[in-house]
Amino acid sequence: SQKIEQNSEALNIQEGKTATLTCNYTNYSPAYLQWYRQDPGRGPVFLLLIRENEKEKRKERLKVTFDTTLKQSLFHITASQPADSATYLCALDSYSNYQLIWGAGTKLIIKP
Amino acid sequence: DAGITQSPRHKVTETGTPVTLRCHQTENHRYMYWYRQDPGHGLRLIHYSYGVKDTDKGEVSDGYSVSRSKTEDFLLTLESATSSQTSVYFCAISESLEGIFLYGYTFGSGTRLTVV
Repeated sequence: SQKIEQNSEALNIQEGKTATLTCNYTNYSPAYLQWYRQDPGRGPVFLLLIRENEKEKRKERLKVTFDTTLKQSLFHITASQPADSATYLCALDSYSNYQLIWGAGTKLIIKP
Repeated sequence: DAGITQSPRHKVTETGTPVTLRCHQTENHRYMYWYRQDPGHGLRLIHYSYGVKDTDKGEVSDGYSVSRSKTEDFLLTLESATSSQTSVYFCAISESLEGIFLYGYTFGSGTRLTVV
C-alpha cells in the first residue's frame, strides 16, 4: 500500500536559520505532492503544490523540492521566524484522482 | 476559513445517538471531503463527493454516511455514535481543471466531537 512518512519528532530551529522538513513516500509514484501548514485548533492551510516533472518550487521564503528517484520531498523555510512555528503536513495524490494520502505531520518550533 | 464553514464547532454526544455534521461552501467547488484527525495519525478520509449526489467511501467509512443534495452542502452522519468516533472532523473542498488539480484543498475550521 502507499505510505508517506514525516519525521514525528518536533524540529527545533533557531530564528533566522533555514528549517528543512522531510517527506518520504513508498510504493507509489505520485503525480504531485502538496505541503500544508496546520496551527493548533485550526484546519490545514495549503502552501505549495509541486508536480512530478518539477524539481523545485518557491513561494516567498518557502521552497519545495521533489526527487522522484529518492521518493522524497524537502520543504524549506528560509530566514525562519517564531510565527512559522506550526505543524507541517505533506500529502500526495493517490491512485484515485479524488483523494490525497497524508503524512502525520512534523511539528516545527522556531525559537527566538 | 473563507468560503467554507463547518457546524457545529464543538459537540458532545452520548454513545448510540445519531450525529450530523454540516459543511457549507460558497466556492462552487465540485469536490468535497470529510476527514477525521486523531493524534499520531495523518488525516484520514471518511467519505468524499465529486458532485451532487455523487459520493464514495474513503479509508475509514464504517459507521459514517454522507449526503450531498446541493453543491454547497455536504453532510456527515454518524449513524450511532461510538467512543472511537471521538475526534476532530474536517471538511475540505477542491477543484480541478480538466481533471488536473492546480491547487490544494481548502479546509474548514473543524468540528471537535466527543462521544461519551
